Amino acid sequence: GAVVSQHPSRVICKSGTSVKIECRSLDFQATTMFWYRQFPKQSLMLMATSNEGSKATYEQGVEKDKFLINHASLTLSTLTVTSAHPEDSSFYICSATPQGAGYGYTFGSGTRLTVV
Amino acid sequence: GQQLNQSPQSMFIQEGEDVSMNCTSSSIFNTWLWYKQEPGEGPVLLIALYKAGELTSNGRLTAQFGITRKDSFLNISASIPSDVGIYFCAGKKETSGSRLTFGEGTQLTVNP
Repeated sequence: GAVVSQHPSRVICKSGTSVKIECRSLDFQATTMFWYRQFPKQSLMLMATSNEGSKATYEQGVEKDKFLINHASLTLSTLTVTSAHPEDSSFYICSATPQGAGYGYTFGSGTRLTVV
Repeated sequence: GQQLNQSPQSMFIQEGEDVSMNCTSSSIFNTWLWYKQEPGEGPVLLIALYKAGELTSNGRLTAQFGITRKDSFLNISASIPSDVGIYFCAGKKETSGSRLTFGEGTQLTVNP
């Protein structure tokens, strides 16, 4: 149980375009999902907390207008990188956890974004 | 966000050896999680710890939640080549809601 699916796994886009990444909880409902960014050989850095039915909470230094998050249902959160630039190239990973104790946080398989 | 102090940064060991890595912080955590990440993949949960002093095993892996609630360690016994990867600790504070803080990772290389 507790499977998180992330799509796409890889995407290449041109500078100035927008890219949408989906994160789905397949066998549980998640009122909260998390979006991370990871640069090569570095740890995961939390970008934002996605809350179902309300606005996302962004970490300090993360541009809200750049990284749009929508959590319209209990099983889907999306991250849209708007007007992408090469410096936005990174590995983006989402995570979610079922409600209640006894569960760790399950991560998606990540999305490798390359902006050319 | 703030990161945990994880050590060592990297380890190069022979197959069959035991491995130990740890995470420390100046803050108190109420949950400790240990993950393994392979190239191009998301982290996979290995062990979750919820109580101070808790010692939990998952096959050849054993992890403990430090009694002070400021540290945790992960041991891998009798390492095998497929143990290669990056191991991350992550902690959750009482004051941070559901947000996790991650360690910098330990890159493990196992030579056959």
